[in-house]
Amino acid sequence: EAQVTQNPRYLITVTGKKLTVTCSQNMNHEYMSWYRQDPGLGLRQIYYSMNVEVTDKGDVPEGYKVSRKEKRNFPLILESPSPNQTSLYFCASKDPRDRGYNEQFFGPGTRLTVL
Amino acid sequence: GQNIDQPTEMTATEGAIVQINCTYQTSGFNGLFWYQQHAGEAPTFLSYNVLDGLEEKGRFSSFLSRSKGYSYLLLKELQMKDSASYLCALNSGGYNKLIFGAGTRLAVHP
Repeated sequence: EAQVTQNPRYLITVTGKKLTVTCSQNMNHEYMSWYRQDPGLGLRQIYYSMNVEVTDKGDVPEGYKVSRKEKRNFPLILESPSPNQTSLYFCASKDPRDRGYNEQFFGPGTRLTVL
Repeated sequence: GQNIDQPTEMTATEGAIVQINCTYQTSGFNGLFWYQQHAGEAPTFLSYNVLDGLEEKGRFSSFLSRSKGYSYLLLKELQMKDSASYLCALNSGGYNKLIFGAGTRLAVHP
């Protein structure tokens, strides 16, 4: 089944304790992206990657890092989490050649709470 | 910059028709998406408009007017399962970016 997976789905942590949220897709998509979703603000892009070893900042990159060593994986790293990073995080991938729609396929989400 | 406005909440009756509007200000974009998102779940694709006009897909239709900076999503024969948030998003930045509105939370009641 074609899908985007994220782990963990839920995480409660404390300020300053480094964490990684993994994202993996099995559709051989070149493009992957991370979003955070907060009430009243909608989804905002954190980082995106056009291909292996190519990453770029989105609209809200501060406090986050990413890496893209393999096409299928795009982990999100919070080196020193803070309470304002409490949010719902979504990973997404796309292949622009699919139907020309540039539709992004979203993972199930990771709900992160930083105390 | 880009700005996208949608109503925060709407209510409608089962079996009825509802129109969710989206207005935007932007210097340019490739197309406009509508996504559906049930509470706590991932957004799922509904429609994508590139050209002006109406795109119909079953009970859902989406309209775009680039000159007016306006789009709407039309949901017909509403069902209880249509209770969800509906997200309007601009596809811009050379197809690299999706800029989302805050979403409209639709409640369908019997």
